[in-house]
Amino acid sequence: EPEVTQTPSHQVTQMGQEVILRCVPISNHLYFYWYRQILGQKVEFLVSFYNNEISEKSEIFDDQFSVERPDGSNFTLKIRSTKLEDSAMYFCASPTGPNSPLHFGNGTRLTVT
Amino acid sequence: DQQVKQNSPSLSVQEGRISILNCDYTNSMFDYFLWYKKYPAEGPTFLISISSIKDKNEDGRFTVFLNKSAKHLSLHIVPSQPGDSAVYFCAASDPSGTYKYIFGTGTRLKVLA
Repeated sequence: EPEVTQTPSHQVTQMGQEVILRCVPISNHLYFYWYRQILGQKVEFLVSFYNNEISEKSEIFDDQFSVERPDGSNFTLKIRSTKLEDSAMYFCASPTGPNSPLHFGNGTRLTVT
Repeated sequence: DQQVKQNSPSLSVQEGRISILNCDYTNSMFDYFLWYKKYPAEGPTFLISISSIKDKNEDGRFTVFLNKSAKHLSLHIVPSQPGDSAVYFCAASDPSGTYKYIFGTGTRLKVLA
């Protein structure tokens, strides 16, 4: 079964630092998503990315966040100046085909100290 | 604004018995629903889905029922196995925008041997 791969699995950073989370989504699909889950809470939508552009973003996805597809395969989520409340699991997701469910990566656990 | 709700944070069931997990939603425009299973430190894993044109979908031990008039869906697992112990999230696909998923808060299922 095709996989969504995320790196690193765990990132610890100090408040105010920039972090970049990386994802290699299932290839040949144009839609990619980032979600996050704060410990013990629900999985929340952050942003969707279609054809190299942001197509939709949530209220959480403020100016501190950005997404890029730097080289046609990797898909990154950048947080410019991390805050304590950014500590969460961040998941990348993509569909396996048209009208198919999203497959999620195993996530990056971000800890902001 | 919780558009998708799972009112039971936890459920314990004996091995071999039926597990029933419930989910309610508020937006009548939702037309596609999914159940995901999640282990700690892993991404959500797709289990089963249902379109709003159906009221039941079955896949092995897993059956999802949809009651559109009540805006309610449920996941039945029969027979339950200890390996089913995990957190289960229901999700609805939001047709406005990019079909992002809106997740419930999850139900932690524990299957007792």
